[in-house]
Amino acid sequence: DQQVKQNSPSLSVQEGRISILNCDYTNSMFDYFLWYKKYPAEGPTFLISISSIKDKNEDGRFTVFLNKSAKHLSLHIVPSQPGDSAVYFCAASGVGGADGLTFGKGTHLIIQP
Amino acid sequence: ETGVTQSPTHLIKTRGQQVTLRCSSQSGHNTVSWYQQALGQGPQFIFQYYREEENGRGNFPPRFSGLQFPNYSSELNVNALELDDSALYLCASSPPSGGEQETQYFGPGTRLLVL
Repeated sequence: DQQVKQNSPSLSVQEGRISILNCDYTNSMFDYFLWYKKYPAEGPTFLISISSIKDKNEDGRFTVFLNKSAKHLSLHIVPSQPGDSAVYFCAASGVGGADGLTFGKGTHLIIQP
Repeated sequence: ETGVTQSPTHLIKTRGQQVTLRCSSQSGHNTVSWYQQALGQGPQFIFQYYREEENGRGNFPPRFSGLQFPNYSSELNVNALELDDSALYLCASSPPSGGEQETQYFGPGTRLLVL
């Protein structure tokens, strides 16, 4: 039973345009959400996070939106750059974090010139 | 500031053997978590160590065990290796909690192949 779902295995976006990556979750006990970026042969790199008490968090080109009623979050990258091409993972954790992070399967973002 | 480091980078073992993977946490971080990432999947939580004790565990059998040392570094031990244990093993560390959730920062991983 997948508690965190990323339904798009891949996404292709033109350089300079907006990239929108989506994530759905089923566990209402999750209260902290994160996005990680992963290049081949490297570990995941933290991008941005959001607590369940917020509905938006912004950091430079990256913005995460959280819709708790829909159990949905999204990552917006504006403008998209060639270096953004990577696999993006959505992750969630419950109160205290001792149960670790629950990850989606990832979305491969390809930025086309 | 040194990030999370892991050793070795790659490892080949045969079925039934035992393996030990090592992780050094990021400076100032006192909590270490281990994850297994199979091909085409997201990382799966194995367990977490805090103050040298396991304080959280995912759905992995007891042959997956760990240790955390006083300097917060950690080991993951896997006994009786099976073919399905072939995966990327990731270590993540996080800083002392200030009452809120703390972000986990990942190392580069150890690629284990079981033949």
